[in-house]
Amino acid sequence: GQQVMQIPQYQHVQEGEDFTTYCNSSTTLSNIQWYKQRPGGHPVFLIQLVKSGEVKKQKRLTFQFGEAKKNSSLHITATQTTDVGTYFCAGPGIYNQGGKLIFGQGTELSVKP
Amino acid sequence: DVKVTQSSRYLVKRTGEKVFLECVQDMDHENMFWYRQDPGLGLRLIYFSYDVKMKEKGDIPEGYSVSREKKERFSLILESASTNQTSMYLCASRLSGWVGTEAFFGQGTRLTVV
Repeated sequence: GQQVMQIPQYQHVQEGEDFTTYCNSSTTLSNIQWYKQRPGGHPVFLIQLVKSGEVKKQKRLTFQFGEAKKNSSLHITATQTTDVGTYFCAGPGIYNQGGKLIFGQGTELSVKP
Repeated sequence: DVKVTQSSRYLVKRTGEKVFLECVQDMDHENMFWYRQDPGLGLRLIYFSYDVKMKEKGDIPEGYSVSREKKERFSLILESASTNQTSMYLCASRLSGWVGTEAFFGQGTRLTVV
């Protein structure tokens, strides 16, 4: 079946270091979304990418959508303790049926001050 | 602000009990979802609904059923709770749209089956 794979599962960094998480889909995606879940919280939408090769930035966060629209990445420059949490990518179901969203396993980021 | 509200934050149930998890959204979203979150496994889709009385199985529907009698409410039912259903359950809703719309999540229900 359709799968969205995310690596790494965990990442521990020193504050100020960079961080990247990668997302790969078994199928071509019409769009991809990224969410952040703070410890003890629920996932919150960060951004959506739609176009092949698209790059979007939110302050220190850079999101990329692959040319083939099967992979994506989130890069955080100079991490801060406020970046701690789990980052999920999510893609629509095949044919975008019913608004279905399939999530990756998530990357849990911890930042040591 | 969009609000997705789950009826309980924490629940403890006994093995074999029938368990109802309720979710209500206030933004007239067509689509509603139930996910289960376990460490290392991410968010796994149990069921989703794209309209009143319409539902589709997700990746792990076994042992669960759902009900959507009204647009704003989506219920997850554990027919006979088992210990392997101990987990965090997250409800979400979103608008329909080919391009895609963001999903809004409830605060989650941590269910423990003893």
